[in-house]
Amino acid sequence: DGGITQSPKYLFRKEGQNVTLSCEQNLNHDAMYWYRQDPGQGLRLIYYSQIVNDFQKGDIAEGYSVSREKKESFPLTVTSAQKNPTAFYLCASSSGRGATDTQYFGPGTRLTVL
Amino acid sequence: DAKTTQPNSMESNEEEPVHLPCNHSTISGTDYIHWYRQLPSQGPEYVIHGLTSNVNNRMASLAIAEDRKSSTLILHRATLRDAAVYYCILRGFQGGSEKLVFGKGTKLTVNP
Repeated sequence: DGGITQSPKYLFRKEGQNVTLSCEQNLNHDAMYWYRQDPGQGLRLIYYSQIVNDFQKGDIAEGYSVSREKKESFPLTVTSAQKNPTAFYLCASSSGRGATDTQYFGPGTRLTVL
Repeated sequence: DAKTTQPNSMESNEEEPVHLPCNHSTISGTDYIHWYRQLPSQGPEYVIHGLTSNVNNRMASLAIAEDRKSSTLILHRATLRDAAVYYCILRGFQGGSEKLVFGKGTKLTVNP
């Protein structure tokens, strides 16, 4: 089936550790996105990539890093510099054709810092 | 950046229509209005989008004000499965980069 997969579903990390969240899509989409969601809040954009080997910061990029070496993959690293990393992380992709295209979301990864 | 404003919550009864409002008074001429919804602990899913004219699909209808400063998502007959947080989003391109602005969302409760 076509879609977006995120792994793991739940992730626990100790304070001061970097952790990488996986996002893979087989929709042949050019654009991919990472969002963060805190309890009771809306989504905030962390990073997005419109094409391989290129990405831009969103509204809350500090403490995060990404790479886009392959079209299908857009991993997000939560670094120790992120002061409050506990949140629900959502990855999305779209065809990248502009303002009319639809974003498809993965099931999310819930990160808890112990 | 353009912002959207939505009520925090709304309540409806099953089988009745639901009108979910969104204000976007600073919308630019090239911004599309998108609606997504999110069930608990899941990723959002696309509902509908439009630019100027009213739009219909199998899930919902979107009514856009003539001045485009507000829009309304219409669920014609609410079901229990429609209980979710509904997000009104403006999408457009500004200076060559993707502009993605989420509203806070409206939590819809559907009573049996």
